[in-house]
Amino acid sequence: SQQGEEDPQALSIQEGENATMNCSYKTSINNLQWYRQNSGRGLVHLILIRSNEREKHSGRLRVTLDTSKKSSSLLITASRAADTASYFCAETSGSRLTFGEGTQLTVNP
Amino acid sequence: GAGVSQSPSNKVTEKGKDVELRCDPISGHTALYWYRQSLGQGLEFLIYFQGNSAPDKSGLPSDRFSAERTGGSVSTLTIQRTQQEDSAVYLCASSLVGREFYGYTFGSGTRLTVV
Repeated sequence: SQQGEEDPQALSIQEGENATMNCSYKTSINNLQWYRQNSGRGLVHLILIRSNEREKHSGRLRVTLDTSKKSSSLLITASRAADTASYFCAETSGSRLTFGEGTQLTVNP
Repeated sequence: GAGVSQSPSNKVTEKGKDVELRCDPISGHTALYWYRQSLGQGLEFLIYFQGNSAPDKSGLPSDRFSAERTGGSVSTLTIQRTQQEDSAVYLCASSLVGREFYGYTFGSGTRLTVV
C-alpha cells in the first residue's frame, strides 16, 4: 500500500524552540491529517487540512499543504517537554486513511 | 461512551491459539477502522466498516484474520492460529460519518504478544 513519508524520522530540540516535521504523500488526497501518539498506544487527532487549503492553524500548531509537491508540514511553535511524542501524517483517499512512518519528536526541558 | 474502548489492553497468547480483540466505538459513529502497528513502525490498515456497506477487507494480511461488526456498533477482530509475526498493537478508530472531515478517534489499542 502507498504510504506517506515523514521527515525527519527523529527530531530532538530544546524547550521553547520550534519543531518542523514534513510529510510527503503519493495519492491524490481528499485531505491530510496529522496525529500524535504517545508511548505507542492510541493516536490523537491534531489537525486536518483539506486539499483546497494551503495553511491552517490550531493553537501552537501550523500545518501547510502543497498539493503540487504532494507535501505537508507541521510546525509546533514554542515547544514544551509535553510535546514529546511521535507525529504521523495520514493521507485520505476515498475511504482509506494511510499513515506514514512518523517522526519521533523529543523536546528536552 | 466518551471514547473508543478496546479490550483487552494486553494479550499474551501461545502460537497457534486463536484470539479475539474487541472494539467499542463512540456511540453513533458509523465508520470503524482496524489498524495494527508493529514496534517502531507506522500504522498498517487492516479493515474498514461503514454503516451497512460491505466492509473493505483489503488490508487483512491473511485468511487467518477476520473481523465483524455487529449491529453497526461493537467490532471484533479475530486472529486464528496466531503466529509470532502477529505480535503488534492493534488499534481501532471510529468516525462520526463515513467521511474524513472530522478526523478519527482512536482507542488505546490492544498489545498482542504471541509467544
